[in-house]
Amino acid sequence: EDQVTQSPEALRLQEGESSSLNCSYTVSGLRGLFWYRQDPGKGPEFLFTLYSAGEEKEKERLKATLTKKESFLHITAPKPEDSATYLCAVQAWDSWGKLQFGAGTQVVVTP
Amino acid sequence: GAGVSQSPSNKVTEKGKDVELRCDPISGHTALYWYRQSLGQGLEFLIYFQGNSAPDKSGLPSDRFSAERTGGSVSTLTIQRTQQEDSAVYLCASSPLQGVNTEAFFGQGTRLTVV
Repeated sequence: EDQVTQSPEALRLQEGESSSLNCSYTVSGLRGLFWYRQDPGKGPEFLFTLYSAGEEKEKERLKATLTKKESFLHITAPKPEDSATYLCAVQAWDSWGKLQFGAGTQVVVTP
Repeated sequence: GAGVSQSPSNKVTEKGKDVELRCDPISGHTALYWYRQSLGQGLEFLIYFQGNSAPDKSGLPSDRFSAERTGGSVSTLTIQRTQQEDSAVYLCASSPLQGVNTEAFFGQGTRLTVV
């Protein structure tokens, strides 16, 4: 069974204090790994898709990387507006209509 | 519209009643997904539509749950004889499914409370 584990569950950062979120996964043939951001009371907002080990993608202060067993979301010099829950999800080749989500990492960035 | 639209945004219903939740996907998106998110939990897959057919409905929790999609567009998720454990936020998403570019765009969700 596909599994996604995110750590830490919660992260409190000072503005400008860089950090990384972890997403460990087991999947029967990875088609894609997705990162989403979710603000309270809203639906998840797509950030990145990674398809193969070694791939990296960047967007503003966020950078996502992928290995064969895990993905990292690096937040560089975060700002308070980066506060959100960050969700990781995997998509398998044998059930590619379905995203298997982790429980998320809640990030709070204080001024 | 520009994004995925869900209605109602909030629904309070009595235990045992039936409810219908509606999703309007992004125009032209062929794939549509339903997920639910319980308090403090991750997103749980319910069902996936490709056009009007549902190749994967493995996440529907029981036969009280059903969904349909008509005209390759609007989808309705129906929960019969609601139970308190059905209380959650129900999220709909759509994607264009062009090649491997399958990122899903989510709506704001319907918050269902069963009392």
